[in-house]
Amino acid sequence: SQTIHQWPATLVQPVGSPLSLECTVEGTSNPNLYWYRQAAGRGLQLLFYSVGIGQISSEVPQNLSASRPQDRQFILSSKKLLLSDSGFYLCAWMAGPNYGYTFGSGTRLTVV
Amino acid sequence: KQEVTQIPAALSVPEGENLVLNCSFTDSAIYNLQWFRQDPGKGLTSLLLIQSSQREQTSGRLNASLDKSSGRSTLYIAASQPGDSATYLCAVQRDFNKFYFGSGTKLNVKP
Repeated sequence: SQTIHQWPATLVQPVGSPLSLECTVEGTSNPNLYWYRQAAGRGLQLLFYSVGIGQISSEVPQNLSASRPQDRQFILSSKKLLLSDSGFYLCAWMAGPNYGYTFGSGTRLTVV
Repeated sequence: KQEVTQIPAALSVPEGENLVLNCSFTDSAIYNLQWFRQDPGKGLTSLLLIQSSQREQTSGRLNASLDKSSGRSTLYIAASQPGDSATYLCAVQRDFNKFYFGSGTKLNVKP
């Protein structure tokens, strides 16, 4: 069966420090992968999605970037964190247009 | 742009009650609609996916309906239990890679 892993679960980082969040999917090949952010009191915001290795689409211009170095690995990065980057980051995957999303357990990021 | 609204924002009911959560969307040209459950501090758990050609889906005590022409979906929970307490989110798939999420309904089922 397919599973999705996200780590770390929680992270506290100072302003100006770098960020790397990792997401991996098991049990499937060539999944579509997504990064979402859920800020306090706000809905889910799509940040990036990827339909294949090295293919990244950005939905919101911001301080973050994404990379997909392997088929089942999706990484969210920042060179210098801002206070506004705090939030709950969720990775998701989708096998095809009629399968819907499967989400990971999320990473709670607090920038101090 | 697709706007997704969920009403009510919060709901508190006694255990055993049947309840309906509502989701409305502005653009009826959608692929699919998906209902999720989110427990505090956790990721989203998929409950039901309704494809655009379907009108409803059922899983256990949950039933979700979809009326694309009116831009509405409902999630019906039968015989609610305290373990059903969570935030329920609906998401509308407007394009292949884009889901638009509502802000959720926070449900509290009292023992």
